[in-house]
Amino acid sequence: GNSVTQMEGPVTLSEEAFLTINCTYTATGYPSLFWYVQYPGEGLQLLLKATKADDKGSNKGFEATYRKETTSFHLEKGSVQVSDSAVYFCALSGTSYGKLTFGQGTILTVHP
Amino acid sequence: GAVVSQHPSRVICKSGTSVKIECRSLDFQATTMFWYRQFPKQSLMLMATSNEGSKATYEQGVEKDKFLINHASLTLSTLTVTSAHPEDSSFYICSAREVGSVEQFFGPGTRLTVL
Repeated sequence: GNSVTQMEGPVTLSEEAFLTINCTYTATGYPSLFWYVQYPGEGLQLLLKATKADDKGSNKGFEATYRKETTSFHLEKGSVQVSDSAVYFCALSGTSYGKLTFGQGTILTVHP
Repeated sequence: GAVVSQHPSRVICKSGTSVKIECRSLDFQATTMFWYRQFPKQSLMLMATSNEGSKATYEQGVEKDKFLINHASLTLSTLTVTSAHPEDSSFYICSAREVGSVEQFFGPGTRLTVL
C-alpha cells in the first residue's frame, strides 16, 4: 500500500534560518504529492502540490520538487519566520477518489 | 479559493449522548467528502470516505454504527458520533473534493470533548 515517511521532529530554528523537512514516499503508479500546514487549533491548509515527476510546487517562499527517482518531496524554505511555526504534513494521493495518505507530521518552531 | 466549513467548532457533551458534526463546501460542489480523526500531536487518521448519494466507505477498524456518516447533498456531509464516550474525545476534521480535482480542501476541525 501507499505510505509517507517524514523526518522526525520537532524542528527548532532561529528566524531567517534555512528549513528542510524531508519526505519520502512509497506508492504504485504516479501519485500526486502535497504539503499541508496546520496552525495550532486549526484544520489543514494546502501549502503546495505537485502532480507529476520533476514538478516544483511553491507558495509563500516554500518549495518542494517531485523526485520520482528518489521517491522524495522535501520541503524547503530559504528564510523562516516566527509565523511559520506550525505542523507540516506531507501527503500523497494515488487513487481516483483522491484518498490522501499522510506522513506523521513535523512540528516546526521558529524563535525570534 | 475553495472553502469548507465545519459546525460546531467545539462541543462538550455528556457520556452516552450523540453529537452531530456538519461539514459544508461553501463555494463548490463536493462529490466526495472525507472524515478524519486527529489525536494530540499525531497525524490524521482517515475514518471514512463519503460520496454524495451513496453509503460511506469506512476504513478498517472504524465502527460504522458508532460513527454515522450522511452525505445528503453535494455541499453537506454529517458525522454523528452515537452514544459518545470519553475515548471518542478528539479533533475531527472533514475535507471535500470537487469532481475531477486531485486536491482536498479541509475544514477547520471540530474539537469534541466527552465528559
